[in-house]
Amino acid sequence: DAGVIQSPRHEVTEMGQEVTLRCKPISGHNSLFWYRQTMMRGLELLIYFNNNVPIDDSGMPEDRFSAKMPNASFSTLKIQPSEPRDSAVYFCASSLEGNRGYTFGSGTRLTVV
Amino acid sequence: KQEVTQIPAALSVPEGENLVLNCSFTDSAIYNLQWFRQDPGKGLTSLLLIQSSQREQTSGRLNASLDKSSGRSTLYIAASQPGDSATYLCAVRRTGGGADGLTFGKGTHLIIQP
Repeated sequence: DAGVIQSPRHEVTEMGQEVTLRCKPISGHNSLFWYRQTMMRGLELLIYFNNNVPIDDSGMPEDRFSAKMPNASFSTLKIQPSEPRDSAVYFCASSLEGNRGYTFGSGTRLTVV
Repeated sequence: KQEVTQIPAALSVPEGENLVLNCSFTDSAIYNLQWFRQDPGKGLTSLLLIQSSQREQTSGRLNASLDKSSGRSTLYIAASQPGDSATYLCAVRRTGGGADGLTFGKGTHLIIQP
């Protein structure tokens, strides 16, 4: 099992540009989560999907953020337009319903200059 | 709203010591609690998962306990080693059915001195 795969590992972009982060969950997991980690706020849940359907996006900071899960093996988090305060590490995690824990990807370190 | 607090925020001890990391949560209606380890610049590695009906879980030199009624969990590390240096994160899950995100503490930054 390759685990949760995120790409890219690092992204540096200029303010105002569109950024797309990608995630491939563990095969068979039916829940997918996007988190953001900053020094000030720690890990924050942005949005999660169950069976490819967005369940709760109340953690998405602004309309500039959007997430999709077109199928069970792929999800994207898009920021448009990006701003310097979006700089953070973005993690994707997946899980199976029930008594299972969460598995996290290695994260995407985003820097907006 | 669930809040998770971890104490201490940072800890530095000599190699070989036994140590305890603390985690508290405000809403005792949790489904499970998970301890993670995060190395600098890396992702989160799951260490232990405790279901709400369990009191503790053990893995090697690690032991995690859960007292749901008092809203507390501890992570015990025996015979600490420099390789244990990392940030340790505690996270609680509210429900087991459907999807539900984890609520994280800010973590304990642990340094084991050789």
